[in-house]
Amino acid sequence: QKEVEQNSGPLSVPEGAIASLNCTYSDRGSQSFFWYRQYSGKSPELIMFIYSNGDKEDGRFTAQLNKASQYVSLLIRDSQPSDSATYLCAVIMEYGNKLVFGAGTILRVKS
Amino acid sequence: GAGVSQSPRYKVAKRGQDVALRCDPISGHVSLFWYQQALGQGPEFLTYFQNEAQLDKSGLPSDRFFAERPEGSVSTLKIQRTQQEDSAVYLCASSHPRGGYTFGSGTRLTVV
Repeated sequence: QKEVEQNSGPLSVPEGAIASLNCTYSDRGSQSFFWYRQYSGKSPELIMFIYSNGDKEDGRFTAQLNKASQYVSLLIRDSQPSDSATYLCAVIMEYGNKLVFGAGTILRVKS
Repeated sequence: GAGVSQSPRYKVAKRGQDVALRCDPISGHVSLFWYQQALGQGPEFLTYFQNEAQLDKSGLPSDRFFAERPEGSVSTLKIQRTQQEDSAVYLCASSHPRGGYTFGSGTRLTVV
């Protein structure tokens, strides 16, 4: 079992729809959770981080964390073609300080 | 500087050649990480520095890989006797104690 798992996609949504990206992690003691966006040929860019159970909203983005289910998600409202990218989930495990990444989910927003 | 700077942006090496990749982190960031990203995969951890101390090198794939950060700022990742499987994008990230990891643009290494 990989430490951080994501569906590779591609996930296709129409412009204006809600895109839902999901991630599960193996270390129950993990404390910090991050979503990065990566355009083709570019480096990862931090979108959101979340530390506590529940929802955290920032503009069109909402991160959701459920530690009991070891599940973190990213919702993108009013999806735009410019949101088309690979979304990487990353976790800092309980005894560590390095980011452990999933393989990423490819999102395609069609106009 | 304003961001994490990596050089060179692209490197083509012949198999067996040694290469050195440079990372200049954000000023004041004590933590520095190196990652390797293969095509279609997420970044894989290589090594971590806190100031000049290399605290975790568990991700280095072989003894051909070596990293240093002698003065606690600029870091160099060296790969000796490069092999085709070393072809990847090498990403450097630095972080502030209050959190947040910022990545550089990466070095794309192609071994031919």
